[in-house]
Amino acid sequence: DAGITQSPRHKVTETGTPVTLRCHQTENHRYMYWYRQDPGHGLRLIHYSYGVKDTDKGEVSDGYSVSRSKTEDFLLTLESATSSQTSVYFCAISVLTGGSYEQYFGPGTRLTVT
Amino acid sequence: AQTVTQSQPEMSVQEAETVTLSCTYDTSESDYYLFWYKQPPSRQMILVIRQEAYKQQNATENRFSVNFQKAAKSFSLKISDSQLGDAAMYFCAYRSAATGANSKLTFGKGITLSVRP
Repeated sequence: DAGITQSPRHKVTETGTPVTLRCHQTENHRYMYWYRQDPGHGLRLIHYSYGVKDTDKGEVSDGYSVSRSKTEDFLLTLESATSSQTSVYFCAISVLTGGSYEQYFGPGTRLTVT
Repeated sequence: AQTVTQSQPEMSVQEAETVTLSCTYDTSESDYYLFWYKQPPSRQMILVIRQEAYKQQNATENRFSVNFQKAAKSFSLKISDSQLGDAAMYFCAYRSAATGANSKLTFGKGITLSVRP
């Protein structure tokens, strides 16, 4: 257990509404990540953060924004949700393990956009 | 950009038998890490095993081992003495060693493993 929680765990929302997903960690790790998981695509990186207020885009960042005002929290926002953003969203942290950095994942959030 | 390919969408194995899951990747880098993650029905992503590209010795973790062929860019996972709890989706993932603490991963599409009792 790497001390990562995600909220909410499930959410149903309507097209066009804003949605914010929260990732919380308890161990002050510097790097945090947001991925989405879709059938036939595996997990794809949306955005990541390398410190407070320091973020960068991943391969599928369009339609998403992120914020990190505290080390422990990394927020993913869908400004205007679309049906194509129906997915399972995972947060991850980078942890030094056995001499190299590995990623540990939160439990995921299932988002349905109707 | 690196790519990871898992060409088999599904596999099945008899309980107590051995199964091998395939993964290939493409990269121009010489130093990197490869991983297998397990995702059971609970949806939790669980790290199964890690391989450093500079190590010739294949990684092993209990019943899980890899066959790492660097020249062929192949990284397969062998599960010995398969158990019902091994039923899950398995993802192969790549990480550059050049990114230091930034461990962002590139994933394959995953393979669903079922275990027959």
